Amino acid sequence: KNEVEQSPQNLTAQEGEFITINCSYSVGISALHWLQQHPGGGIVSLFMLSSGKKKHGRLIATINIQEKHSSLHITASHPRDSAVYICAVRGGNQFYFGTGTSLTVIP
Amino acid sequence: NAGVTQTPKFQVLKTGQSMTLQCAQDMNHEYMSWYRQDPGMGLRLIHYSVGAGITDQGEVPNGYNVSRSTTEDFPLRLLSAAPSQTSVYFCASSYQGGGDAFFGPGTRLTVL
Repeated sequence: KNEVEQSPQNLTAQEGEFITINCSYSVGISALHWLQQHPGGGIVSLFMLSSGKKKHGRLIATINIQEKHSSLHITASHPRDSAVYICAVRGGNQFYFGTGTSLTVIP
Repeated sequence: NAGVTQTPKFQVLKTGQSMTLQCAQDMNHEYMSWYRQDPGMGLRLIHYSVGAGITDQGEVPNGYNVSRSTTEDFPLRLLSAAPSQTSVYFCASSYQGGGDAFFGPGTRLTVL
């Protein structure tokens, strides 16, 4: 069973496009995290959300606790945004991870 | 702050060999955890700890041991490596009450 489901699995966009990645979860959570992993690289945390919406530069993350759903938006996408984006939720003492969305932004 | 550090970055083992993956953090985080990342499967929890002297199993604990003698260090031991343990291993830490999760750079392990 997958506690966290992400869509799409793969995404190719032209530079400048608006991008949305979706995450649904089935467990009770204290927080939801959006993570970024570049090819062959480490994992960095982009956002931690427990309600509402957060914005960092061109990235926006939203969460709807009632619907158990979160979205990550990238405005004016750029080739350097190419990476795997991972949704993770914290339930008690455990984190549960989605399988990731592989984003490629073409110049 | 160095954040979360992991050593080694790469390791090749033969079946049956043992080794320890090191993880350390300097942020005084209570919660530390080990994950393995395999293609198409996402990160899976191996073991975690909520403080010195306290450890617990995650989703895929078989073949791995951990200990937490200090707040800073959380080593992962492979007692008898198997090819099925070929993976990329990440250590992470956070405050027990919540907050951002910080990940180490990962260890790429190959078992022949």
